[in-house]
Parts: sequence; structure tokens; C-alpha cells
Amino acid sequence: QVHLQQWGAGLLKPAETLTLTCAVNGDSLSSYYWNWIRQPPGKGLEWIGDINRDGSTNYNPSLKSRVTISVDTSKTQFSLKLSSVTAADTAVYYCARSEGLRFFDWLYLWGQGSLVTVSS
Amino acid sequence: QSVLTQPPSVSGAPGQRVTISCTGTSSNIGAGYDVQWYQQLPGTAPKLLIYGNRNRPSGVPDRFSGSKSATSASLAITGLQAEDEADYYCQSYDSSLSGYVFGAGTKVTVL
Repeated sequence: QVHLQQWGAGLLKPAETLTLTCAVNGDSLSSYYWNWIRQPPGKGLEWIGDINRDGSTNYNPSLKSRVTISVDTSKTQFSLKLSSVTAADTAVYYCARSEGLRFFDWLYLWGQGSLVTVSS
Repeated sequence: QSVLTQPPSVSGAPGQRVTISCTGTSSNIGAGYDVQWYQQLPGTAPKLLIYGNRNRPSGVPDRFSGSKSATSASLAITGLQAEDEADYYCQSYDSSLSGYVFGAGTKVTVL
């Protein structure tokens, strides 16, 4: 059974770079897009971006200048880097797998979530 | 401000029917992109409830149903139960933003 396990630093200072990794256990990364979504405390969900096993990416325009999503097929992992973080980037970050036809797809499989706090 | 508009809250007594609306524009729902619905219980990751406007994943009770028309979509919960108390989010794709968008979420309260 496929499941996603994510990890990364939970406390950052302003201007640092957020790095999170999501391991895909039980899947070879094939045929899907792999996503990052975040949720500020008490607020709604925001899609950050996605990537496929070939490294093709798609980013939220509002974050595009600071986001890099990469994939390591040998480790069946994908990662998120968000640079120059501020307090506004404090959120629970989720990794998730898309299923279905591109642009009509849905997020069925989710990681457990990682709380990242930005504070001086 | 979210691209997809949802009411902040809805409530109902046990056994009643409640609906949650999700209003979009001509670049997302109105452009023909599918709508998905997610349920989020406190402190947990969202769970897929409806995909492709009206389809339920295996294990989701048939009390949950989805529909779509023009630039909006709806989630209906019939026979409301205490365990349905959660936040619900709609999601679609937006061609103008070239990305996936969510509604701001609706809190369902069981009275």
C-alpha cells in the first residue's frame, strides 16, 4: 500500500530557506504528479506546485519566484525548497499525489503534514 | 481572497441535509474543469470526498454527493451525523493562473 512520509526542519528564521522532503513508499513515482500544498494556522489550503518523475514542474504564480520542487527517482522522493521565508510562510505543509487526467486530477493520497514555523 | 468562493459556515441538526456551494469563474469551473471536495477533521490531513464533480472514492458514504453546473458546484450531505463536523474544501484548476485552486473552506457544524 502506497503511503507518503514527509520530513524537514520545523523552525526557521526569516530569510532562511525551507526544505521539506516527501518519501513515496510503495510506488515508483510513475504516471502521477506529486504536489506540495500548505495551510497557514486557522486558514485554508494553498497549492504550491507539483512535479512528475521526469522533473516537469508547475508552480503557483504567487510563489513561483521562491519555489523549487525537485524529484529523486532513485530514492522515490520529491522535495520542496522555499527561499527567503517570512512569518507569512508559517504553515502546515503537505505532500500529496495527484490522480486522474492532467488539470482534471484530484489529490487522493496525502502525507501527514509538517508544521513549519518562521520566527526570529 | 480565494479564487473559489465558499460560505464560511453551514449548520444542521442530525439527520438533516446541508449543502455547501462553491462558486468559480469562466477560467476554472466555468471552463469545464472538474471540481473536487475534501473533508478535513481537526489536526488531520484533508481527505478526498468527491472527485470529478460527482464521484465518490471507495469508502466514502453515499450520504455525500456532488454536483456541478455552469460556474458553480455543490456538495450535499444528507442524514447529517456528528462525525461530519469538519471543514470542507472545494478544488479545481484555473487556466488563467495555470494552477490548482481551493476554496477558503466551509465549517460544517452539527447542532
